[in-house]
Amino acid sequence: DQQVKQNSPSLSVQEGRISILNCDYTNSMFDYFLWYKKYPAEGPTFLISISSIKDKNEDGRFTVFLNKSAKHLSLHIVPSQPGDSAVYFCAAKFTFNTNAGKSTFGDGTTLTVKP
Amino acid sequence: EAQVTQNPRYLITVTGKKLTVTCSQNMNHEYMSWYRQDPGLGLRQIYYSMNVEVTDKGDVPEGYKVSRKEKRNFPLILESPSPNQTSLYFCASSLSGTGTNEQFFGPGTRLTVL
Repeated sequence: DQQVKQNSPSLSVQEGRISILNCDYTNSMFDYFLWYKKYPAEGPTFLISISSIKDKNEDGRFTVFLNKSAKHLSLHIVPSQPGDSAVYFCAAKFTFNTNAGKSTFGDGTTLTVKP
Repeated sequence: EAQVTQNPRYLITVTGKKLTVTCSQNMNHEYMSWYRQDPGLGLRQIYYSMNVEVTDKGDVPEGYKVSRKEKRNFPLILESPSPNQTSLYFCASSLSGTGTNEQFFGPGTRLTVL
């Protein structure tokens, strides 16, 4: 049972436009969500996160939106730049229960930003 | 420089030959974890450690062992590797396993089991 899903394996956008990456989860007990970015031949790096008590978190060009009732989060990148081309992973975790050490990742979405 | 290091970066081995992938972090992090990445399956957690001498199973622990004798090191052991363990492996660490801490990942180890 895959608890975190990214249904779009790939996304291609034009430089300067908005990129929207989506993520759905099934376990309503997840209370913290993170996005990681991964370039080829490197490990993932943390991008942005959001607590389940919020519905939006913004950091520069990156904004994450959380819709708890729909169990859905999205990452918006505005404006998109060619350097944003990478694989983006959505992750979910529990912050303070017996499963606090577990992290569940989605399959990843490959974003290509065309100049 | 704060980092997570893994060795080796690339390894080709044969079925049944025991191997160890080392992981070390220099950030004094309490929490460490191992993941494997396979096409179409994303990152799946193998084992994690909340602190020294405390380890627990992730989602895909079968065929793997870990130990956490020191805070900085978290080796992944494959006692009898099989071809289905061919994968890209990542070690990660964070300040704590609880709370809102992000993970810092190593560069990955690409393992091929023939």
